[in-house]
Amino acid sequence: AQSVSQHNHHVILSEAASLELGCNYSYGGTVNLFWYVQYPGQHLQLLLKYFSGDPLVKGIKGFEAEFIKSKFSFNLRKPSVQWSDTAEYFCAVTRSGAGSYQLTFGKGTKLSVIP
Amino acid sequence: NAGVTQTPKFRVLKTGQSMTLLCAQDMNHEYMYWYRQDPGMGLRLIHYSVGEGTTAKGEVPDGYNVSRLKKQNFLLGLESAAPSQTSVYFCASSTLGRAYNEQFFGPGTRLTVL
Repeated sequence: AQSVSQHNHHVILSEAASLELGCNYSYGGTVNLFWYVQYPGQHLQLLLKYFSGDPLVKGIKGFEAEFIKSKFSFNLRKPSVQWSDTAEYFCAVTRSGAGSYQLTFGKGTKLSVIP
Repeated sequence: NAGVTQTPKFRVLKTGQSMTLLCAQDMNHEYMYWYRQDPGMGLRLIHYSVGEGTTAKGEVPDGYNVSRLKKQNFLLGLESAAPSQTSVYFCASSTLGRAYNEQFFGPGTRLTVL
């Protein structure tokens, strides 16, 4: 079974600082990768996803992520965070192939942006 | 479109009581899922359904039952609630079973079992 590790439990940044949240997965086969965001009191929303092609994926609100297959990583980045980015971020993975639609989530990284 | 909706939003139960959480989606999605979210644990899949009348167990199914009598609805039941089931429950849906398809999440139900 696949698993997902998110390295940071809580990250605190000042506005305009750069962000990188780590995500590593354990599965030897082909995977599809996602980052979801949960703003305070809200449900999860898709930030970006990767399933094939260019390993640098751009998502909403200026976020991007890079899939590095050799490192089993899918780190999330943003060059300059805003207070409104305060949220919890979840990395998730599914295996490619028929019937592989179940998402396995990491434990989440809480981001606090200080004005 | 309302997307994915969940009722109720909040509920407090006593140990041993039963309840049903309702999830509804208006996107004509084939696949529906129930997750629980606990602090520091991320989301864990309880049960899922690949179509009307079919359900399957996820990662943490014990203590829960589900039913999908209509395509748009997915019910999660707790027959005898336990304090360990205190959690936030999220329903999600997706179209077909493609691994790269986005799952759309509902707003969640916060359940406390005393």
